[in-house]
Amino acid sequence: KNEVEQSPQNLTAQEGEFITINCSYSVGISALHWLQQHPGGGIVSLFMLSSGKKKHGRLIATINIQEKHSSLHITASHPRDSAVYICAVRGFGNEKLTFGTGTRLTIIP
Amino acid sequence: DGGITQSPKYLFRKEGQNVTLSCEQNLNHDAMYWYRQDPGQGLRLIYYSQIVNDFQKGDIAEGYSVSREKKESFPLTVTSAQKNPTAFYLCASSRALYQPQHFGDGTRLSIL
Repeated sequence: KNEVEQSPQNLTAQEGEFITINCSYSVGISALHWLQQHPGGGIVSLFMLSSGKKKHGRLIATINIQEKHSSLHITASHPRDSAVYICAVRGFGNEKLTFGTGTRLTIIP
Repeated sequence: DGGITQSPKYLFRKEGQNVTLSCEQNLNHDAMYWYRQDPGQGLRLIYYSQIVNDFQKGDIAEGYSVSREKKESFPLTVTSAQKNPTAFYLCASSRALYQPQHFGDGTRLSIL
C-alpha cells in the first residue's frame, strides 16, 4: 500500500467549475508538496505546506495534520489547468520525498 | 532565465548498452536528484546529491550510476545491469535537501 493516496485518479470537469483533489498519507510528515505535471512531462512545484492553508492565484492548498489529509482546490477552472497533479510528502528526519500516483485533471471548454 | 535542462528529450538504447542522461542547472542549487516515473506509479528516487563530489543512493539505485563533479551538472548513466530501463526520467534540484525542488522536462528512454 502506497504511503500517499490521491483521489480521484482521473477527473474531468467543465471550464469554470470548482475543482478539489485529495491527498491522504499514512505517516507523520514534516512537509507536503503539491506538484503539477504538464502533458509534455515537465513538473512545476505549486506549494509546500506544513500546516494550514496557502493560496496562489486560483489555486488553494490546505492541510489537516491531525487527519493526515491535504486538498488542492482550483477555482474558476480553465482548460490550461489540465495536467496531472501530484502530492508528495516528506517524513520527519527524512530527506526523501514519497510521491502519490497523481490525479489526471481534464478541463473541457 | 534560470532552470534545469535535461537532454535529450527522447533516447533509444539497444540491449546491453550503457546510456547517459544529461542534467544541467543554472540555479546555483546545491542539491540535485534523479527520479524515475513509470505508468501508474509515483516518482521513485534513483540517486541524489547534497553537494558537489557527494551522492547517495535512493530507493531504486541498482543498475544506475551518477557523478557530481560540478555543481551545475548531475549526469545519470543507465547501465546494462538495469533490466527494465524503459521509463521517463526526471532530474530536479533544490537549494538544499529539504527545500522545494525544481524539475526538468524529463527524458524518455526506450529500448530498441
